[in-house]
Amino acid sequence: SSELTQDPAVSVALGQTVKITCQGDSLRSYYTSWYQQKPGQAPVVVIYGKNNRPSGIPDRFSGSRSGNTASLTITGAQAEDEADYYCNSRDSSGKRRLFGGGTKLTVL
Amino acid sequence: QVQLVESGGDLVKPGGSLRLSCAASGFIFRDYYMSWIRQAPGKGLEWISYISTSGHDINYADSVKGRFTISRDNAKNSLYLEMNSLKVEDTAVYYCVRDWAPLNEMWFDPWGQGTLVTVSS
Repeated sequence: SSELTQDPAVSVALGQTVKITCQGDSLRSYYTSWYQQKPGQAPVVVIYGKNNRPSGIPDRFSGSRSGNTASLTITGAQAEDEADYYCNSRDSSGKRRLFGGGTKLTVL
Repeated sequence: QVQLVESGGDLVKPGGSLRLSCAASGFIFRDYYMSWIRQAPGKGLEWISYISTSGHDINYADSVKGRFTISRDNAKNSLYLEMNSLKVEDTAVYYCVRDWAPLNEMWFDPWGQGTLVTVSS
């Protein structure tokens, strides 16, 4: 399969928990990475592998997977978390790289 | 620190050609796969190509296959993207990224700042 599906937009109240999901057949075989992109900036990886955070990424960001769905959870969302979030993985062949369409997160 | 700096973006007419470059520093360039990713204005991210450490394993997205060529010069710590037969829909910011793909994982880190390619008559 060559597609990853994300909800276009999600909102969360300040301090609450939000889950952003990514669906795709290849996710049964491959882990997902997640990127945060703020306006005018390059994306930054926030979660990769099973549930790894690069240095400097707050521990309120976490990742999980169940079947063909990967999730990025932000526990206690902050105003600075308002951004576009993209999931990324491989296609079912393992060769090509895929991105989800992105989710715009609004922190209310 | 680890850094990727793209260059070569420009305004080009449909059907034209352009070559993008990416200068890598702060890591052992020859030890890593590299990719190009693009983002059309107001749109999402699109992976377009990767190249292996030696340059022998290359793959392209269907949208650019046959028109774009990725290459690298490990002696110069540089990545390239030769773009031919450019179309209006190739208009995008092009990012150079380090491509990590061990076993059943993959991620891109770091990203360059991007270079803008505009295809317009």
